[in-house]
Formats: sequence, structure tokens, C-alpha cells
Amino acid sequence: KAGVTQTPRYLIKTRGQQVTLSCSPISGHRSVSWYQQTPGQGLQFLFEYFSETQRNKGNFPGRFSGRQFSNSRSEMNVSTLELGDSALYLCASSLRTLTRNSEQYFGPGTRLTVT
Amino acid sequence: AQRVTQPEKLLSVFKGAPVELKCNYSYSGSPELFWYVQYSRQRLQLLLRHISRESIKGFTADLNKGETSFHLKKPFAQEEDSAMYYCALRDGSGNTGKLIFGQGTTLQVKP
Repeated sequence: KAGVTQTPRYLIKTRGQQVTLSCSPISGHRSVSWYQQTPGQGLQFLFEYFSETQRNKGNFPGRFSGRQFSNSRSEMNVSTLELGDSALYLCASSLRTLTRNSEQYFGPGTRLTVT
Repeated sequence: AQRVTQPEKLLSVFKGAPVELKCNYSYSGSPELFWYVQYSRQRLQLLLRHISRESIKGFTADLNKGETSFHLKKPFAQEEDSAMYYCALRDGSGNTGKLIFGQGTTLQVKP
């Protein structure tokens, strides 16, 4: 089975711009979670999508948003980029029902640099 | 507060020595605990899940609810074990994908 894929792998943006990152889960996985990884804050949960609905949300400002499509692919969007948004953005997929969740498998990440 | 604490940023041992990577948690509900590993230039991958009670690559971890700990152990470290290790927690109800991660411990196994 192909693993979780993320595009693009690297991105450089300017402060104030917006960016969209994409994640394709493992085939058959319906849950996608997003995380931000920085040297200072470590790995922090952004949000989770399951069956095209946001199920859980972390403590990030409204500039961070996401969506999930009917094929389970997910995108996250960051608007009005700030220097502090520079990070590695990871997505993870899992088999999930409404009451059970398997382990999460991570993608390679998108390295976002904001200048 | 929901928190995962890995007290050591760096753990350095010699090949063949025992390894224990510490993880303590604070959680009001019934948690699921995981260990993830990230080898150099590779993606984050699951090492252990407490409900599986497996031994992977010689590593084991036991959930101690009394001490709220989930320490990772290996009796004899190998050089290929050198990596970053993250302890993570998830609500055990099964209705969330949110993982709470510790800050990670770098394990360095010297020859």
C-alpha cells in the first residue's frame, strides 16, 4: 500500500500571503489529522477531518483552516501568513469509525518557510 | 491539563547497554499511549501502541496508570536505534484522532 503523501514538500512564501497544503491518505483511511512541528513548540495538533467533517480542532487561530474531500484527500490553508507559521506541517491518516480509531500513519511533511 | 512529558532531551548510551526513555502523562480520562520514532531523514512512524502489548525491534513499554508513565525500554541498544523518540497520548474513547505529543528524546547509541 502506498503511504501518506503530501504536496508540495517545500514551500517558500512571503508574510501576508496564503498557502494551501495537500495530503493524500493511505487508501481506505477516512481520517486525516494535521500537525505543526516547530523546534520550539514541538508537534502540535491542528485539526482532524473524518467523513468530510472537522471532528476535532487544536488551539490555533482561525487563519488555519482545512477541508476534506469525498475521496478522503485533505487540504489545509493558512491565510495571512506570519513569520511564526514557518514550520513542518505533517498530516496523518488512520482507519476510523465514529467510535474507534486505529493508529495514525504520518506523511513526510511540507516544509513551509515564511519570509 | 492534558500533557505528555519526556524529561530527557538527549539520552546517550553505548551499544549493548540498556535503554529507558521516560514518558509521563497527565490526563483526566482514559488515555491511549503510543511511542513514535523518527529516524534521520525519515517520516514519523509508529513504534508501539500500549493496547497492542507488542515488542517491536526489541522495544517494550508498559502503561503504569498509578505512576502515569509509559516508559520505553530495550535491554540491549543497537546503533540503528539512534533516532528521535516521541511519546504521544490520545483519548481512549476512540472518537478522536488528536494526539498530544511530548517534546521528544534524541537517543544516541555510540559504538
